[in-house]
Amino acid sequence: GAVVSQHPSWVICKSGTSVKIECRSLDFQATTMFWYRQFPKQSLMLMATSNEGSKATYEQGVEKDKFLINHASLTLSTLTVTSAHPEDSSFYICSARAIHQMSGETQYFGPGTRLLVL
Amino acid sequence: AQSVTQLGSHVSVSEGALVLLRCNYSSSVPPYLFWYVQYPNQGLQLLLKYTTGATLVKGINGFEAEFKKSETSFHLTKPSAHMSDAAEYFCAVRETGANNLFFGTGTRLTVIP
Repeated sequence: GAVVSQHPSWVICKSGTSVKIECRSLDFQATTMFWYRQFPKQSLMLMATSNEGSKATYEQGVEKDKFLINHASLTLSTLTVTSAHPEDSSFYICSARAIHQMSGETQYFGPGTRLLVL
Repeated sequence: AQSVTQLGSHVSVSEGALVLLRCNYSSSVPPYLFWYVQYPNQGLQLLLKYTTGATLVKGINGFEAEFKKSETSFHLTKPSAHMSDAAEYFCAVRETGANNLFFGTGTRLTVIP
């Protein structure tokens, strides 16, 4: 099956610093990737849709200047949390959309990145 | 508006017993339907999906789900629970032509030895 990786798997940073999270599709090309945020014991909330070569589409209530998304290639999207604050502490999960000839579209998820802002 | 309802945030079953996790959706047209499993501190793994065709879908680890249009449901079942099935399960839908998934709130499955 398709594999999506995320790096780092966890990060601790000081308040006010910026953190970059990478999402890679390892064995397929993904023109579209998605960034989700998951709070403890809650569901995934879509933050933004990342399209290769164009600007990301942000969901309502998500600050685009706070959460910078870059999708520079067909296998890599990055999420940068700028000037992180403790309330940004969360589990960030990316997914990449694969299109299969027989079975159509499927989203494959990365293992997630746990961010703790002190 | 699209919504996904998972009845029961926690479900406990005995090892070897039937697993039934419920999912209902609201959509003007039948969407694509998915079940994902999440183990602690990990991302989501696709269990199965329904797009078109046969309404009974078989997935990995012995799970299956049946799309019932009349009931707008896509319940997940497994005949015999195993300890390794303990995890969080998410139902998700994607409308035809849409890019993103809408997730339910999840159901935590506990398997009792």
